[in-house]
Amino acid sequence: NAGVMQNPRHLVRRRGQEARLRCSPMKGHSHVYWYRQLPEEGLKFMVYLQKENIIDESGMPKERFSAEFPKEGPSILRIQQVVRGDSAAYFCASSPSGTNSPLHFGNGTRLTVT
Amino acid sequence: QKEVEQDPGPLSVPEGAIVSLNCTYSNSAFQYFMWYRQYSRKGPELLMYTYSSGNKEDGRFTAQVDKSSKYISLFIRDSQPSDSATYLCAMTRYNQGGKLIFGQGTELSVKP
Repeated sequence: NAGVMQNPRHLVRRRGQEARLRCSPMKGHSHVYWYRQLPEEGLKFMVYLQKENIIDESGMPKERFSAEFPKEGPSILRIQQVVRGDSAAYFCASSPSGTNSPLHFGNGTRLTVT
Repeated sequence: QKEVEQDPGPLSVPEGAIVSLNCTYSNSAFQYFMWYRQYSRKGPELLMYTYSSGNKEDGRFTAQVDKSSKYISLFIRDSQPSDSATYLCAMTRYNQGGKLIFGQGTELSVKP
């Protein structure tokens, strides 16, 4: 979906490095969601953000993962000290409101940890 | 037991066939039901969005929801090779609009 922009499309990191994934929502959308798709698994919810606020982070791993959506600029998903198990496709989605409006997804960032 | 079960396939059909894709779920609180299509190396694309039980039609696609049986379906009529993709069902509870629970996805191949 060209409306939600994610970059980079592919990211390679060595174990122990940091990964930063960026997401710009569709125009007019102020609600951002991050999902992870592991090989052979479905999409899993990670975190829901509005501008300057984390609304629901119940799907985030307790350590090394953080997310933000600043007043200006894209939403950032940050993974510190990456491990091989972090290799996955990370998708960002946005919606115009947080209640029962459908999500529109970007094309994802494919993270490979070597 | 997973909250949403979806047969991963792969499913292979000839061009022009009617395709039936299905998901079952265990949480009776789910009220919003979606079908997404995902091409290889792309993000999920919303196909159908329905609320509660009933049918919804859009072109060659029909979505059905049977809440009493906790069962949803997507039918594709006159299937085309361009329909070859992975189809994901997703659902959510009221006021949890963006926190979707996805099925594993069914890989569909439509042969010319």
